[in-house]
Amino acid sequence: EVQLVESGGGLVQPGGSLRLSCAASGFTLSNYWMHWVRQAPGTGLVWVSRINTDGSSTMYADSVKGRFIISRDNARNTLSLQINSLRVEDTAVYYCARGSNAEEDAYDIWGQGTMVTVSS
Amino acid sequence: DTVMTQSPDSLAVSLGERATINCKSSQSVLHSSSNRNYLAWYQQKPGQPPKLLIYWASTRESGVPDRFSGSGSGTDFTLTISSLQAEDVAVYYCQQYYRGPSTFGQGTRLEIK
Repeated sequence: EVQLVESGGGLVQPGGSLRLSCAASGFTLSNYWMHWVRQAPGTGLVWVSRINTDGSSTMYADSVKGRFIISRDNARNTLSLQINSLRVEDTAVYYCARGSNAEEDAYDIWGQGTMVTVSS
Repeated sequence: DTVMTQSPDSLAVSLGERATINCKSSQSVLHSSSNRNYLAWYQQKPGQPPKLLIYWASTRESGVPDRFSGSGSGTDFTLTISSLQAEDVAVYYCQQYYRGPSTFGQGTRLEIK
């Protein structure tokens, strides 16, 4: 079964850090661009970051640039998001999503999400 | 960034009736060389991740019922559910994946009248 499973979320104080992971199974991660999308409680979807197939190219939303780092380990079929200098407004469910072998494509597989709560 | 605006914000439709959701982009998402519109539609039910319904504006994802259809080009797009079923109650999002960072519409909540 093709699936993505996120982990690593939790409660963290403002200014803190977390490392989110996304484990891929049922497909070869190295063939796909991958994305992180977040959803604050009761609101819509916001794209956060993306990484190309071999990890050599990354892009971030302006709101997280300089604080978040996306990476991947294709050998371990794992995508990661290091989130630093957390703010209250970063509170959200974070989803990893599969693109395709091209930068510009829809996201056909989504994980269940991992909740990040930033609060003092 | 390209702004995606959906209308209406919420919609109530009777079972078996047609539901129509609109999505407008602030810039064209039509790629001239491929003649493809870089526009997708997703369905999200409570407590679940989004599910891809439509991509390239009108191509139905595998396994999606044929009552779901997408249309439009350039800046104006429509998702149509031809005969609403109870299991279609959800929030629907459009997404452009062409210009710069991908962006989503604010969502349209679909309910049963």
